[in-house]
Amino acid sequence: DTEVTQTPKHLVMGMTNKKSLKCEQHMGHRAMYWYKQKAKKPPELMFVYSYEKLSINESVPSRFSPECPNSSLLNLHLHALQPEDSALYLCASRQGSGKPGANVLTFGAGSRLTVL
Amino acid sequence: GNSVTQMEGPVTLSEEAFLTINCTYTATGYPSLFWYVQYPGEGLQLLLKATKADDKGSNKGFEATYRKETTSFHLEKGSVQVSDSAVYFCALSDTYGNNRLAFGKGNQVVVIP
Repeated sequence: DTEVTQTPKHLVMGMTNKKSLKCEQHMGHRAMYWYKQKAKKPPELMFVYSYEKLSINESVPSRFSPECPNSSLLNLHLHALQPEDSALYLCASRQGSGKPGANVLTFGAGSRLTVL
Repeated sequence: GNSVTQMEGPVTLSEEAFLTINCTYTATGYPSLFWYVQYPGEGLQLLLKATKADDKGSNKGFEATYRKETTSFHLEKGSVQVSDSAVYFCALSDTYGNNRLAFGKGNQVVVIP
């Protein structure tokens, strides 16, 4: 298995809803990432988990809450979002540091979020 | 800090034409360099990479050479197809800690039949 799987592919939610995005990989990767991508822009880093611990939070608003239940799963919990949070949310993973290919990120296909 | 600069604007060309997308970088240490491709409605896919100076990455007819003297990693393909229409991102990764990726702004490539 060489994929990062993201669900759902599309999500529409109101500003008062609570929803979650899910990311899964079975490549034994030990670092997992959330990126946000607006149309015609490069991805922007949001969070990094390394060995299931949060190692980077790029000053993301608290209405986005990441969770890493185990080394294969990464969630992004969404609550009280704003319309400007509408974007493509990309998950990525990579090998642990010191292993071959440790600097290569493998991306999922993304979850397209629309906030009404 | 680390940064990547890609040439401005979309690139439109005819099928079988030669493609070049320029990428230059600023970095400390010895970063790894990447080209990622994003097809419409999809996530990013690694196209090719190079991890040290003078390395040449290649895949699917695309090539890029890590030039430390000019801090460049230009992407080239000798004969493009309609199926190469996508957005191409140049990126670099530092060699420390979390391997943050710094992306260029991306170039939309449109290949006309």
